[in-house]
Amino acid sequence: QSALTQPASVSGSPGQSITISCTGTSSDVGAYNYVSWYQQHPGQVPKVMISEVTNRPSGVSNRFSGSKSGNTASLTISGLQAEDEADYYCGSYTTSSTWVFGGGTRLTVL
Amino acid sequence: QMQLVESGGGVVQPGRSLRLSCAASGFSFSSYGMHWIRQAPGKGLEWLAVIWRDGSNMLYGDSVKGRFTISRDNSKNTLHLQMNNLRVEDTAVYYCVRDSQSTEFKHWGQGTLVTVSS
Repeated sequence: QSALTQPASVSGSPGQSITISCTGTSSDVGAYNYVSWYQQHPGQVPKVMISEVTNRPSGVSNRFSGSKSGNTASLTISGLQAEDEADYYCGSYTTSSTWVFGGGTRLTVL
Repeated sequence: QMQLVESGGGVVQPGRSLRLSCAASGFSFSSYGMHWIRQAPGKGLEWLAVIWRDGSNMLYGDSVKGRFTISRDNSKNTLHLQMNNLRVEDTAVYYCVRDSQSTEFKHWGQGTLVTVSS
């Protein structure tokens, strides 16, 4: 159960788009379309932004989108806003019926 | 309003035990699987354990397998995590999380802090 691999940090200017990658294996990310993405602001509980690779829960801005290719999933945030500055985590269901998270990515809005 | 409230955290010495609880309200507790997820200070999320809605099955992450036990009491709408042989690296905020329609984690408690230190 190794953690999924995410870049430690990404940054972008307001209005720009950024993409955060999440690399796993054929036993997790590549196995099913059960990848989710979470946003966590300091001192707050994680909030799900994307579920099942591409689904955006009600209330989440359409600036957030997800995709997957093979063992790598991606979260794209378009039209960056200051409020998007946060930590982002990917998570995946696995073939062992367990779950695994990525190490997290700190997004800085310049 | 769905609510998950963790309790039982605190400071404990290495090698000792601690039992966390999570009181659930505002939904049919016995209809959902439940999880424990933790986050060490300044670190990422780590999935620890899941228990089926009827308590018939439990699965664990490798780092806690054999030391931690997840359990539930559906008559009291309560989830537990028994943590034995605690290590310094178990220091974290422990979250109680409810299953969703799919595999994402949508419903979280506010967490309880466990500090393992001599």
